[in-house]
Amino acid sequence: AQSVTQPDIHITVSEGASLELRCNYSYGATPYLFWYVQSPGQGLQLLLKYFSGDTLVQGIKGFEAEFKRSQSSFNLRKPSVHWSDAAEYFCAVGAYGNKLVFGAGTILRVKS
Amino acid sequence: EAQVTQNPRYLITVTGKKLTVTCSQNMNHEYMSWYRQDPGLGLRQIYYSMNVEVTDKGDVPEGYKVSRKEKRNFPLILESPSPNQTSLYFCASSIGQGKSSYEQYFGPGTRLTVT
Repeated sequence: AQSVTQPDIHITVSEGASLELRCNYSYGATPYLFWYVQSPGQGLQLLLKYFSGDTLVQGIKGFEAEFKRSQSSFNLRKPSVHWSDAAEYFCAVGAYGNKLVFGAGTILRVKS
Repeated sequence: EAQVTQNPRYLITVTGKKLTVTCSQNMNHEYMSWYRQDPGLGLRQIYYSMNVEVTDKGDVPEGYKVSRKEKRNFPLILESPSPNQTSLYFCASSIGQGKSSYEQYFGPGTRLTVT
């Protein structure tokens, strides 16, 4: 069965510093991969997606992610974090039945 | 504005009192789904619907019911809520065809507390 692991429950970075959130997936074929962000009290917003092709994908709000098949990873990156990026981030993989299988999430704190 | 709406946003109820959480989308999406979010577990799918009158179980369907009588609406029914159903619930929708079906739009969430 498909699964997603986000090893970091919490991450704290300074404003202006770079960010990398880790995501590892388990899936037999080429996966459909997603990153969502959930701001406090809000629903989930799609940041970016990977279906195939170029392994470096660009998303909204200056985020990017790189698909590495050899490492079964899809890490999310941002070169310079803003205080408004503080939120919870979820990695997900597409599964049978149009289902998204989510990781447990990583809470990002930004310190000024 | 394209959106998924849920009502109510917050609900406190007692064990055994039937409740319904409504979900509606205005994007003419075929696919709709319910997830629950619990700390440390991420989101898990409860039920989904590929189209009107077509529903199926997700990973955690026990204690829930759904119906899809109209394309835009997908209510979640808890006929006899229990405290272990205290959670944050999200409704989602998508086009429902091909890989784009995985690009799901989420509602704002319903926080349910069962005492």
